[in-house]
Amino acid sequence: EIVLTQSPATLSLSPGERATLSCRASQSLSSYLAWYQQRPGQPPRLLIYDASNRATGIPARFSGSGSGTDFTLTISRLEPEDFAVYYCQQRSNWPPYTFGQGTKLEIK
Amino acid sequence: DVQLVESGGGLVQPGGSLRLSCAASRFSFGSFAMNWVRQSPGKGLEWVSTISGSGGSTSYADSVRGRFTVSRDNSKNTLYLQLNSLRAEDTAVYYCANGWFDYWGQGTLVTVSS
Repeated sequence: EIVLTQSPATLSLSPGERATLSCRASQSLSSYLAWYQQRPGQPPRLLIYDASNRATGIPARFSGSGSGTDFTLTISRLEPEDFAVYYCQQRSNWPPYTFGQGTKLEIK
Repeated sequence: DVQLVESGGGLVQPGGSLRLSCAASRFSFGSFAMNWVRQSPGKGLEWVSTISGSGGSTSYADSVRGRFTVSRDNSKNTLYLQLNSLRAEDTAVYYCANGWFDYWGQGTLVTVSS
């Protein structure tokens, strides 16, 4: 089973700042990694698939990069609605699909 | 827009059973795989099961294999998850999602407690 480790666990930033979230895999994923945003009381929302492709309707301030075992989600300028929990998910070798433990992006 | 609506959650005693449903609309349901993902209170996401578009192929997480059964009725555009031999650790919100996880339902809460 592929293990995904996200860092940091919590990220405290202010609106307008740049956020950089990391996801590291226990083995190579090629580019088969996705990122999700989850706001309280809401289901996850797909942001990025195949490491760097924005899903339909996702603002351009969200970008993904990386390949192999190291991946990054960048939010260029934080908006108030961006403060949420972010998860990465591997789609390279399943079953099982696995998720990272999440990064909570909170307002500083 | 694609719509997925789960139902069937509730309070059940340990060892009990439930059947969850996920009604799909506004997409070619039978053409795509479907997934179940759960989230325990205050915790992260855990993939539970995947079923192919035809229903002929299924996959399960080790934590539920042998206790949960996924199925689908393409004539009714509905996905199911039969939960048997429930344990306290199965308490979670259960989400259905399409094959590429780009559409999710709002979830249904399953609570296993005596």
